[in-house]
Amino acid sequence: GQNIDQPTEMTATEGAIVQINCTYQTSGFNGLFWYQQHAGEAPTFLSYNVLDGLEEKGRFSSFLSRSKGYSYLLLKELQMKDSASYLCAVLPLNTGFQKLVFGTGTRLLVSP
Amino acid sequence: EAGVTQFPSHSVIEKGQTVTLRCDPISGHDNLYWYRRVMGKEIKFLLHFVKESKQDESGMPNNRFLAERTGGTYSTLKVQPAELEDSGVYFCASSQVTGATEAFFGQGTRLTVV
Repeated sequence: GQNIDQPTEMTATEGAIVQINCTYQTSGFNGLFWYQQHAGEAPTFLSYNVLDGLEEKGRFSSFLSRSKGYSYLLLKELQMKDSASYLCAVLPLNTGFQKLVFGTGTRLLVSP
Repeated sequence: EAGVTQFPSHSVIEKGQTVTLRCDPISGHDNLYWYRRVMGKEIKFLLHFVKESKQDESGMPNNRFLAERTGGTYSTLKVQPAELEDSGVYFCASSQVTGATEAFFGQGTRLTVV
């Protein structure tokens, strides 16, 4: 089975940098996703890591260490609109790229 | 281009009643997924269609849930009879090809069973 852990809630101030960690234990691994979800809205894709290392996309970066079962999402120059839930999701091996396994999400609150 | 749309956005029904949720995937997306988030828990996979065929329904909770995708376009998820524990947010997602790294989610249907 899979076990995905991420902090329940984090707070940060506008303009700052925040790192949201995600650890996972899985019997097989095909990649890790980060999604952003504003309250009442659809989860939206942020990033996908399958190899070790850092993927950068503007203000958002995602890091993966497969050997450590660890990922983080880094948000720079925080804006108020970044207040949302951030969902870590693993794509297990042998599922035919069919079913994401999600963590419970980290609620980020950005204050002025 | 329209995204994944779900209807209704909210539904409140009594225990024992029937509810049907609808998902319209992005046009041309053969893959359609249903997920569910129960209060306080993580989003969990329910099932996966490729066109009109069920590829994987291992996440369906029990036989009170029936998903269909006639014609390979929109999909419905029927809960009959609904129980209190079925309350949650039901998400639909679609992707163009199997193995696509990005699935697009709808905003979900919030189901409350009272």
